[in-house]
Amino acid sequence: GAVVSQHPSWVICKSGTSVKIECRSLDFQATTMFWYRQFPKQSLMLMATSNEGSKATYEQGVEKDKFLINHASLTLSTLTVTSAHPEDSSFYICSATMGSFHEQYFGPGTRLTVT
Amino acid sequence: GQNIDQPTEMTATEGAIVQINCTYQTSGFNGLFWYQQHAGEAPTFLSYNVLDGLEEKGRFSSFLSRSKGYSYLLLKELQMKDSASYLCAVADSNYQLIWGAGTKLIIKP
Repeated sequence: GAVVSQHPSWVICKSGTSVKIECRSLDFQATTMFWYRQFPKQSLMLMATSNEGSKATYEQGVEKDKFLINHASLTLSTLTVTSAHPEDSSFYICSATMGSFHEQYFGPGTRLTVT
Repeated sequence: GQNIDQPTEMTATEGAIVQINCTYQTSGFNGLFWYQQHAGEAPTFLSYNVLDGLEEKGRFSSFLSRSKGYSYLLLKELQMKDSASYLCAVADSNYQLIWGAGTKLIIKP
């Protein structure tokens, strides 16, 4: 149980275009979903926290107009990277928690390459 | 500020035992997590400690001392597949996870 999926697993896009990444909790309802970014050989960096039906809370330094997060249901959250640039190339990982337990279940990640 | 410290890299031999340390300074404490992350993959959960003491789970054990702000992950009977990064994370007073930079563990035959 507690499976989180992400789609796509990898994507290559041209500079200036937008990319949408989906995060789904497959067998549980996620009270909260998190979006992380990880650059090579670095640890996870939390970008934003989202709860179903409410606006996401962004971490300091993360542009909310560039990284659009929609959490439409208890099983789906999407991250849209708008007007992507090469420096946005990274490994994007979502995670989800259920109930009151604070263990995060991670999706497999999406590798974004902007050319 | 909030801070999680763990060694950047460690090397150990197949079949041996290795201990990965983690020290933390956070605003509040609601538990400490250890995750394993293989290169190019997302982290997978290993352990959760919220009370002092040792939690054993197969070849892996995790220890916590809240008074010292200290934890370690102990891996026994090392296998080549244990080569990965090991991430220490602490849930602060807002239940937000504060992540360490990870310890890259290299296993040699």
